[in-house]
Amino acid sequence: NAGVTQTPKFRVLKTGQSMTLLCAQDMNHEYMYWYRQDPGMGLRLIHYSVGEGTTAKGEVPDGYNVSRLKKQNFLLGLESAAPSQTSVYFCASSILGQGLSNQPQHFGDGTRLSIL
Amino acid sequence: SQKIEQNSEALNIQEGKTATLTCNYTNYSPAYLQWYRQDPGRGPVFLLLIRENEKEKRKERLKVTFDTTLKQSLFHITASQPADSATYLCATNNAGNMLTFGGGTRLMVKP
Repeated sequence: NAGVTQTPKFRVLKTGQSMTLLCAQDMNHEYMYWYRQDPGMGLRLIHYSVGEGTTAKGEVPDGYNVSRLKKQNFLLGLESAAPSQTSVYFCASSILGQGLSNQPQHFGDGTRLSIL
Repeated sequence: SQKIEQNSEALNIQEGKTATLTCNYTNYSPAYLQWYRQDPGRGPVFLLLIRENEKEKRKERLKVTFDTTLKQSLFHITASQPADSATYLCATNNAGNMLTFGGGTRLMVKP
C-alpha cells in the first residue's frame, strides 16, 4: 500500500518546455488535488478532481492543465513552462465527504521543479 | 478569500516541555480546521481535524483547541521529543469549501 506516489521527484526545465507530472493513489479515493508550495507561503490549490473524468480550477490554475482519465491517476501538465512555475508540487487525495475540506488529505512527497 | 496566519519564526523548546503553536484565521469562519505535520523533503501528514462545534480535541500527546470567537486554533504537543521537530501546518475550509493552508511554523525540540 504505497498511498500517493508522485513522479518524477525532481526535474529541471527550460522556459517554454512542456512536461507532465504524474500522481497515482492506491486508496480508491474519489477526490484528488494538485498544490504548489513556495517558500514562506502556504500550499495553494492549482486544480482538483471530485471523480474520474472531472476536473475543476483551484486558487492558482493559470498555466496548468489537468486530466483524470482513471480514478487512481491525476496528471498535471505545464504546456509552456515559466520561471514563476518553479516550485514544489504536491498531489493529494481524500475520500468522498461533504465537500472538499472535511476529510483528511493524503499527500505524496512532492515533485521539485525548477524552470530556468 | 480566507487568510491563515501562523508564526513564521521557528519555535525552539527543550525536550519534555509543552510546545504551543498558534493558527489565526481571518475573512471567513470555517466549519473545520485541520493540522498537518511536514518533514523536510516530504509531503504533509494529517494529524487532527476539529469541527467548529468542538472546543478541544486530543490524540495521544497532541491537543488542538478551536476558538471561533478569537478566530484562533492552538496546537499543543505535551512532553515534546526531538522527533517532534518538524513544520506544522494549519488549514481551514474556505468559502469555496476547499482547504486554505497557512505557511506553517517550524518546531525545533532540543534534547
